[in-house]
Amino acid sequence: KNQVEQSPQSLIILEGKNCTLQCNYTVSPFSNLRWYKQDTGRGPVSLTIMTFSENTKSNGRYTATLDADTKQSSLHITASQLSDSASYICVVSEQAGTALIFGKGTTLSVSS
Amino acid sequence: DAGVIQSPRHEVTEMGQEVTLRCKPISGHNSLFWYRQTMMRGLELLIYFNNNVPIDDSGMPEDRFSAKMPNASFSTLKIQPSEPRDSAVYFCASSLLQVGYTFGSGTRLTVV
Repeated sequence: KNQVEQSPQSLIILEGKNCTLQCNYTVSPFSNLRWYKQDTGRGPVSLTIMTFSENTKSNGRYTATLDADTKQSSLHITASQLSDSASYICVVSEQAGTALIFGKGTTLSVSS
Repeated sequence: DAGVIQSPRHEVTEMGQEVTLRCKPISGHNSLFWYRQTMMRGLELLIYFNNNVPIDDSGMPEDRFSAKMPNASFSTLKIQPSEPRDSAVYFCASSLLQVGYTFGSGTRLTVV
């Protein structure tokens, strides 16, 4: 069964610190991998999207990496801000035209 | 563009009542997805449409759930009769060939 597993389940860091969130997947065939940010009470918003041929992509302070061989991805957040407090969801697309497979997310809390 | 528009934002209903959730996708998008999100299970795909045609409804939990997409600009998700375990946040998302995958703000459903 195609799955997307994320770790840690939750994380608390101090403002200004960096952090890295992990995503492992078993989805095959694989089309693309996305990271979403979901603020409380809102819908998920896309941060990055990578195809199997890409191994890194940045969006401001967010940098995603992908190793398609080991089926692992990470999301690195640099110089965290209070507004980074949210749930971060790793999402894998099996193939173009199909729906997405979601991880359960990592809840990040940034404190001052 | 106003994005994916869902209504209502919040719905509280009594067990046994019919509930109808509404979604207006982004103009020009040809795929529409209905998801349910709970703390325990995260985001789960219920059903998705390509060009107004239901493609995969294997995620619809029971016959009490039904979805329609009468035209490219409107979809409904209906629960009849509703039960307390249906309480969740229901998201609609739309995309164009897996590009520009955008979520609505969700409908928080509480069945008492």
